[in-house]
Amino acid sequence: TQLLEQSPQFLSIQEGENLTVYCNSSSVFSSLQWYRQEPGEGPVLLVTVVTGGEVKKLKRLTFQFGDARKDSSLHITAAQPGDTGLYLCAGALYNNNDMRFGAGTRLTVKP
Amino acid sequence: EAGVAQSPRYKIIEKRQSVAFWCNPISGHATLYWYQQILGQGPKLLIQFQNNGVVDDSQLPKDRFSAERLKGVDSTLKIQPAKLEDSAVYLCASTPGGRELFFGEGSRLTVL
Repeated sequence: TQLLEQSPQFLSIQEGENLTVYCNSSSVFSSLQWYRQEPGEGPVLLVTVVTGGEVKKLKRLTFQFGDARKDSSLHITAAQPGDTGLYLCAGALYNNNDMRFGAGTRLTVKP
Repeated sequence: EAGVAQSPRYKIIEKRQSVAFWCNPISGHATLYWYQQILGQGPKLLIQFQNNGVVDDSQLPKDRFSAERLKGVDSTLKIQPAKLEDSAVYLCASTPGGRELFFGEGSRLTVL
């Protein structure tokens, strides 16, 4: 079983729609990150959230860290084809700062 | 600033053969990670180095996988002997000690 569970696993939407993807765990993390990965490339960091309840915005992307620091969500407003990719959440464990990844949400935005 | 360099980008071998992957992290980054990413899954941590010491290798299949970072800079990940289920992309990442991981493009291994 994954330490971080992401849902949905796959999401296909039309350009202009809104969407939310989730990252859940029973573990508490010192920080949580969201990465985006395109085919043939390594993941690229989008955001880091550190404080429980924290909300960060990056243009059309809104990230939230749960109050208990066990879960997070990513909301995209007015999705565009350029948002297509694999969205990965990763949590830093308190003991040794290991970064553990979820299985990802594969997003396809159709024009 | 140069990114994380990995080689080779692609490797095809037969089962029971050996293979080695090389990673050159971003200059000055003390922490280096090797991840295994099987198709359709998220990256799975194999090993974490802090300078030339191992911080966590609890998920490294030590009967066939080995990794070293002798001088605290470059790192090599070896698989010997390879199995079919080792087919994956092997990602190297580095960080100066902060939270952001900088990934290389990965080395795609196919075991036949």
